[in-house]
Parts: sequence; C-alpha cells; structure tokens
Amino acid sequence: EDQVTQSPEALRLQEGESSSLNCSYTVSGLRGLFWYRQDPGKGPEFLFTLYSAGEEKEKERLKATLTKKESFLHITAPKPEDSATYLCAVQAGDGTASKLTFGTGTRLQVTL
Amino acid sequence: DTGVSQDPRHKITKRGQNVTFRCDPISEHNRLYWYRQTLGQGPEFLTYFQNEAQLEKSRLLSDRFSAERPKGSFSTLEIQRTEQGDSAMYLCASSLLTLRTYGYTFGSGTRLTVV
Repeated sequence: EDQVTQSPEALRLQEGESSSLNCSYTVSGLRGLFWYRQDPGKGPEFLFTLYSAGEEKEKERLKATLTKKESFLHITAPKPEDSATYLCAVQAGDGTASKLTFGTGTRLQVTL
Repeated sequence: DTGVSQDPRHKITKRGQNVTFRCDPISEHNRLYWYRQTLGQGPEFLTYFQNEAQLEKSRLLSDRFSAERPKGSFSTLEIQRTEQGDSAMYLCASSLLTLRTYGYTFGSGTRLTVV
C-alpha cells in the first residue's frame, strides 16, 4: 500500500527564517510526486509535480526537490502570506493511474 | 471564473438523512475526482470519472455512497442514511488526461456536518 509521511506536523518560523519540509514516501513505481498548498476552509492549490530523482522545481520562495525515497520543500525567506498547510501526494504507477495518496500535511505559520 | 465549483459550501444534516453534493469541473477537463478530508488529515480518494465513465472506486467507499457524472459534465455525490462518521470536507477536483504539468485543480469543497 502506498504511504506518504510528512514532517514536521507543524512548523513556526519568523519572517525571513528559511527551513525545509519533508515528505517521505513508499510507492509501487512512482509516476509523480505532487506538492499542494491548502489554506483554511479551501481546497488544495497545486504547486509542483516532480517525476524523477534529482529533479528540482522552483516558484517564488519555494523550491521542491526529489530523491528516490523523499522530497523536500524548501522555503527561503518566508513571509506571513506563506502560512498554510503544505500537502505532499504521490501517484503510483501500478494501474491506479489517477489516484493520489496524500500525506497529513505540515502546518506552517510564519510570524512577523 | 473557470475554476472547479462545488455546491453547497456547507451542509448540516441529521443522522439518517440523504444528502447530495454537486461539482462543476473546469470545462475542458475530462477527468473528475472526489476526495474526502477530515480535520488534520490529507484528502482521501473516493472515486474518479473519465468523461461519464466511473473508472475507480476506493475500497473504503461504503455502499451508501454513490457518484454520477451524466454526459461527462457535472458530477453529483450522494450519501444515503448519513452517519456521524460521514462528517468531513468533500472535495471535487478535475484534470486533463495527464496530471503531468498541472496536477489536479480542486474546488473549495463541501463541508458536511452530521448531527
């Protein structure tokens, strides 16, 4: 069974204090690893897809990286508006072509 | 607005009642998904459609749950004889045939409270 574990569960940063979120996964043939941002009371918002070990994607203050066992979401010089829950999900290559398996997320709070 | 729309945003129902939710996907997306999310958890897959065909259902999906997507456009999710354990956010998402570049686009969800 596909599994996604995210750490830490919660993270509090001061504005400008860079850090990383971790997503470790077990999947039968990774087709894609996805990062989403979710604000309270809203649906997840797509950030990145990564497909192979060594791949990196960047968007503003966010950078996602992928290895064979885990992915990191690096947040550089965060601002209060980066406060949200960050979800990681995997798509398996075992025939369940469109199903995503999500982790429980990391709740990020960025304070002034 | 060309996003995914869900209706209603909130629903409070008494245990044992039936409820139905509607999802309108992005018009050019041919895949539509239903997920359920409880507090502090990530979304959990329920079912998905490609056009009007329901191609996969989660083993966790009780017989009380049924989803339809007539004519490959909007979709409905019905829960019969609701139970308190059904209280959750029900999320709809849509995508093109491949998730490669854009992943899913999620709606804002329908929050169900069973009292």
